[in-house]
Amino acid sequence: QSALTQPRSVSGSPGQSVTISCTGSSSDVGGYNYVSWYQQYPGKAPKLMIYDVTKRPSGVPDRFSGSKSGNTASLTISGLQTEDEADYYCSSYAGSYTLVFGGGTQLTVL
Amino acid sequence: EVQLVETGGGLIQPGGSLRLSCAASGLTVSSNYMTWVRQAPGKGLEWVSVTYSDGTTYYADSAKGRFTVSRDISKNTVFLQMNSLRGEDTALYYCARAGRGSGWYSSDYWGQGTLVTVSS
Repeated sequence: QSALTQPRSVSGSPGQSVTISCTGSSSDVGGYNYVSWYQQYPGKAPKLMIYDVTKRPSGVPDRFSGSKSGNTASLTISGLQTEDEADYYCSSYAGSYTLVFGGGTQLTVL
Repeated sequence: EVQLVETGGGLIQPGGSLRLSCAASGLTVSSNYMTWVRQAPGKGLEWVSVTYSDGTTYYADSAKGRFTVSRDISKNTVFLQMNSLRGEDTALYYCARAGRGSGWYSSDYWGQGTLVTVSS
């Protein structure tokens, strides 16, 4: 149950697009289409942004999109807004009834 | 409106035990996948357990043998019994409803968390 690998930080300017990667293995990200993404503000609970790799819960702006290629999943935020500045975590089913999270990525909107 | 409220956290000595509660409203715990996720201070999220509607629970390796999940259906509450606590168990413990999508792999409702500090 090793954590998925995410960049520690990414940044972008308002209006730009940023992509956060989440790298695992064939035992987790690559083996299942069960990748989720969460947004977390300081002192707050995580919020589900993407599930099943590409699906968005109602209420999540369509500026947020998810994808996967091989063992790497990605979260893309287009039309970056200041309120997008937060920590982002990926998670994936890892088989044998276990779940693994990524280490988290701090997004800075410059 | 779904609400999950965790309680029971506190300061506990290494080797001690603590029971966390997650009281749910707006959903029925016995009809949902319920999960526990923790977050050490300044660190990332770590999955702890998932409980199926039939009560079957699966645990992360870090929790196996020390943590046990139970439910009180009448109170619509899930419990996390934590024994043999270690310093590395210090974290904010979140209860969440899992099950958005194809299985239990994503959580769409979260509580505010309860802080467990293991220290002498």
